[in-house]
Amino acid sequence: NAGVTQTPKFQVLKTGQSMTLQCAQDMNHEYMSWYRQDPGMGLRLIHYSVGAGITDQGEVPNGYNVSRSTTEDFPLRLLSAAPSQTSVYFCASTKGLGDETQYFGPGTRLLVL
Amino acid sequence: EDQVTQSPEALRLQEGESSSLNCSYTVSGLRGLFWYRQDPGKGPEFLFTLYSAGEEKEKERLKATLTKKESFLHITAPKPEDSATYLCAVNSGNTGKLIFGQGTTLQVKP
Repeated sequence: NAGVTQTPKFQVLKTGQSMTLQCAQDMNHEYMSWYRQDPGMGLRLIHYSVGAGITDQGEVPNGYNVSRSTTEDFPLRLLSAAPSQTSVYFCASTKGLGDETQYFGPGTRLLVL
Repeated sequence: EDQVTQSPEALRLQEGESSSLNCSYTVSGLRGLFWYRQDPGKGPEFLFTLYSAGEEKEKERLKATLTKKESFLHITAPKPEDSATYLCAVNSGNTGKLIFGQGTTLQVKP
C-alpha cells in the first residue's frame, strides 16, 4: 500500500512551458485535492475532486487545470507556467464522508524560470 | 469567512520543557479539526482529528484538545525529534476541503 504518490519530485520549467504533475492513490479514496505551499502563505487549495468525473475550484485555481477520469489518479496541469507558480505542490486524498482525514503525498518542487 | 490562525509562529524549547501550541478557528460549521506534523522537504503527516468541543486525543508526548473556538496541541517533555512544523486545519463542508493555518515551527534543543 503506497498511499499517495507524486511525480516528479522536482521540476524546472521555463516561463510559458506546460507540464502535468501526477498524483495517484491506492487507498480507494473518493476525495482528492491539490495544494500549493509557499513560505508565509501556508497550504492553499488549488482544485479538488469528490469523485471520478467531478472537480471543483479551490482558493487559487488560476493557471491550473485538473481532471479525474479514475478514482486513483488526479493530475494537475500547468497550461503556461509563470514564475508565480514556483512552489511546492502537494496532492492529498480523503476516504470521504464520515472520514475526512486527508493523507498527503511527498510533494513536487517546481521552479519556473 | 472560514479562518484558521496558529500561534506562535515559532517556538524554541529545551528538551523536557513542556509547552502548548494554539490554533484558533472561525468556521460556519465545524466538521473536523486536524493536526499535522511536517518535516522539512516532506508532506504533512496526519496526527489527530477532533470533532467536538471537549474532545481530547493523545499520541506519545502529544495531546490535542478542542474547544468551540480553539484547539491546543500540548507537548509534554519534548525531545529533539519532535522538532517540526505543526499545522492545524479545519473542515467546514462536506467536500473534504481543508483550510490550513500558517503553522508553528517547533525547535527542541538538547
